[in-house]
Amino acid sequence: DAGVIQSPRHEVTEMGQEVTLRCKPISGHNSLFWYRQTMMRGLELLIYFNNNVPIDDSGMPEDRFSAKMPNASFSTLKIQPSEPRDSAVYFCASSLRPDTSTYEQYFGPGTRLTVT
Amino acid sequence: GNSVTQMEGPVTLSEEAFLTINCTYTATGYPSLFWYVQYPGEGLQLLLKATKADDKGSNKGFEATYRKETTSFHLEKGSVQVSDSAVYFCALSGWTGNQFYFGTGTSLTVIP
Repeated sequence: DAGVIQSPRHEVTEMGQEVTLRCKPISGHNSLFWYRQTMMRGLELLIYFNNNVPIDDSGMPEDRFSAKMPNASFSTLKIQPSEPRDSAVYFCASSLRPDTSTYEQYFGPGTRLTVT
Repeated sequence: GNSVTQMEGPVTLSEEAFLTINCTYTATGYPSLFWYVQYPGEGLQLLLKATKADDKGSNKGFEATYRKETTSFHLEKGSVQVSDSAVYFCALSGWTGNQFYFGTGTSLTVIP
């Protein structure tokens, strides 16, 4: 089976532009997570979804960031307008949450975003 | 609340040396514990896990034992290789909310 798929792998954009990152979770997984990784702040959880519904978006840094999950096989993270401090690697992860226990997360390869 | 604390890096070892990376946790209830590895330019990969007290997770020569009495989940390997050079993350999964709590990561460099 394919793992978590993210696109693009690299994105370079100018300050003020809109950026959209995409994620396809592992088929059958019902939870999806967006993370941001920087040298200064490490790995930060931005938002996560269960069954396509956003559960906790307290990690979203500000209103410029938004995330959607229109169906079980696709999610987007949008930054509008982008700023240089948004430069980071953005990871998507998915997992399966049955009723009786929690399971590990599977990470995509990440999108390296550079805002100039 | 839930949290994970792991030892600061970076760690540099010679090939075939013994590795220990410390991880302690704070949690309510009965968390599951994980070690993830991140190779340069890649995403995080699950290395091993343990879901209850006294469980030992193992993979690729790495081991970690879930110690409830000391709230620890230290990662060990008896003989490291150059290919083990990576960043290692300890993580905790709680039942409530399906959230993960990651440590800050420990960078390991193994020199020939």
